[in-house]
Amino acid sequence: KQEVTQIPAALSVPEGENLVLNCSFTDSAIYNLQWFRQDPGKGLTSLLLIQSSQREQTSGRLNASLDKSSGRSTLYIAASQPGDSATYLCAVRHFQGGSEKLVFGKGTKLTVNP
Amino acid sequence: SAVISQKPSRDICQRGTSLTIQCQVDSQVTMMFWYRQQPGQSLTLIATANQGSEATYESGFVIDKFPISRPNLTFSTLTVSNMSPEDSSIYLCSVSGRVSDTQYFGPGTRLTVL
Repeated sequence: KQEVTQIPAALSVPEGENLVLNCSFTDSAIYNLQWFRQDPGKGLTSLLLIQSSQREQTSGRLNASLDKSSGRSTLYIAASQPGDSATYLCAVRHFQGGSEKLVFGKGTKLTVNP
Repeated sequence: SAVISQKPSRDICQRGTSLTIQCQVDSQVTMMFWYRQQPGQSLTLIATANQGSEATYESGFVIDKFPISRPNLTFSTLTVSNMSPEDSSIYLCSVSGRVSDTQYFGPGTRLTVL
């Protein structure tokens, strides 16, 4: 059974700092990995999608890497801003129980202090 | 990308009643999913809504408790039946095209059961 773990569970940094969020998964047979952002009480916003054949994806100040063989992904946020404060969720898409599914980690709650 | 709307955005319900949540997508999509996010927890897949056939439920979720309809490629409903306080959660609709595509989420329905 696929399990996704995110470390740390919470992170507080001063504005302007670069930071890394970690995600690990137990079964490397994945289709892709997706990073999401969730603001309190809201739905999920997709940030980056990395296919299993890719090593990294970039969007603005965000860079996500994938090492499928070791079951790890990182989300790098450059020059953090207070508006980046949110919970960041990692999810892997894999085949289980006869269909493909998205399995989520518990998230990292990020606070960027002005 | 897909734009997803959900109704209602939030509701407060009495124990023993039922609530139907609607999910509307602005384009035809192959796959539609329903997730639950309990307070302080990550997302758990309830079921995959199949167009023209019965939904596929995950372990721990049953049709009698969470009946789902999907009459076409842009619309689905999830009913939470015979509610108890333990059903208090955010319920999210999600869609995807192909397996390699980004999975998008609606804004969620925040349900409180008294």
